[in-house]
Amino acid sequence: GQQVMQIPQYQHVQEGEDFTTYCNSSTTLSNIQWYKQRPGGHPVFLIQLVKSGEVKKQKRLTFQFGEAKKNSSLHITATQTTDVGTYFCAGREEGSYIPTFGRGTSLIVHP
Amino acid sequence: DGGITQSPKYLFRKEGQNVTLSCEQNLNHDAMYWYRQDPGQGLRLIYYSQIVNDFQKGDIAEGYSVSREKKESFPLTVTSAQKNPTAFYLCASSPTGTDGYTFGSGTRLTVV
Repeated sequence: GQQVMQIPQYQHVQEGEDFTTYCNSSTTLSNIQWYKQRPGGHPVFLIQLVKSGEVKKQKRLTFQFGEAKKNSSLHITATQTTDVGTYFCAGREEGSYIPTFGRGTSLIVHP
Repeated sequence: DGGITQSPKYLFRKEGQNVTLSCEQNLNHDAMYWYRQDPGQGLRLIYYSQIVNDFQKGDIAEGYSVSREKKESFPLTVTSAQKNPTAFYLCASSPTGTDGYTFGSGTRLTVV
């Protein structure tokens, strides 16, 4: 079945440093979603990417969808303590109704 | 404000007892989902429903049951057949199923 791998599992950064998490699928995706879950909280939808090579920005967050639609990345510029949490990708395989979630990348920001 | 309400936030049950987790949404979303989250495991799909009176098993449906009698409600029953029920349970909904999900705040179930 479809597998969605997300790396790294954990990332420690100093406040102000950049952060990137990567999501790789074993199959071609129709779309990919990104979520953020704060410690003790629930996942919150950030964005959905649909087109090959698509790049979207939300303030300091940049989301990319690979040309082959099998990988994606989330980049945070100049991290802040408010960025702390676990970032999940969820990829929907071509022809599938349900997305597969990656295991998430936990971001720890040291002040 | 529209959203998804899960109750209770914390739930303790004795081993061998069935327990029902509530999930209510007022977003007028057609699709609803139940996920289980364990540390380091990400989100695993238990059941989902695309429309009222219809639901499908997810990846880990064994030991769980659901119903979808109303569009707004999608309760999950954790039965005594579930071998390791202690976990964080998340309910979600989406307008059509291909959009982003709105999650509830979750229920932490502890079975002792």
